[in-house]
Amino acid sequence: ETGVTQTPRHLVMGMTNKKSLKCEQHLGHNAMYWYKQSAKKPLELMFVYSLEERVENNSVPSRFSPECPNSSHLFLHLHTLQPEDSALYLCASSQDPPDTQYFGPGTRLTVL
Amino acid sequence: AQSVSQHNHHVILSEAASLELGCNYSYGGTVNLFWYVQYPGQHLQLLLKYFSGDPLVKGIKGFEAEFIKSKFSFNLRKPSVQWSDTAEYFCAVNGRGGSYIPTFGRGTSLIVHP
Repeated sequence: ETGVTQTPRHLVMGMTNKKSLKCEQHLGHNAMYWYKQSAKKPLELMFVYSLEERVENNSVPSRFSPECPNSSHLFLHLHTLQPEDSALYLCASSQDPPDTQYFGPGTRLTVL
Repeated sequence: AQSVSQHNHHVILSEAASLELGCNYSYGGTVNLFWYVQYPGQHLQLLLKYFSGDPLVKGIKGFEAEFIKSKFSFNLRKPSVQWSDTAEYFCAVNGRGGSYIPTFGRGTSLIVHP
């Protein structure tokens, strides 16, 4: 299944680094999502882009910054992260927001 | 705000046993309901979904779920599990009243012993 791809698959970064996660969907969908998956916690929606409009979870810290240049690409820019931000970051897409989501393999992020 | 509660966090079964995973949600309007599955080392993928119509929906690999509106529930069932059903199962809700915020449950880890 290569409908939704994410790069890199693994990332280790220091607290002062700046990095970006990339997601690309090849399904012709018009909505894209970022999720955070931590051990023993529910899947946490961070951001949704739908028809170029952004919806965000107000509890997401400003050190996470999304960018959606078009309906096929989604980025998550990271800066001055904390160790508690270490998690699996999942990207997903859907045809419309309430419809089935298709997930990528995730980026395993470790913040030292 | 919508929320999803999955009652069983860890379930261990032997092959051929029956499975039922509970899912309850809270939302004031009409919802789309989903069960997703994450097999070890694989992506999250759709198992089944309910949007409208027959409240008993069938998914892949012999799974089914029943939507009971009066109980705000969407429980997942399988009459006879297999070792290959070992995975993490997530219930999810998305309100159809203009909310674009899908909400997932905590997930249930299922281990099936051969």
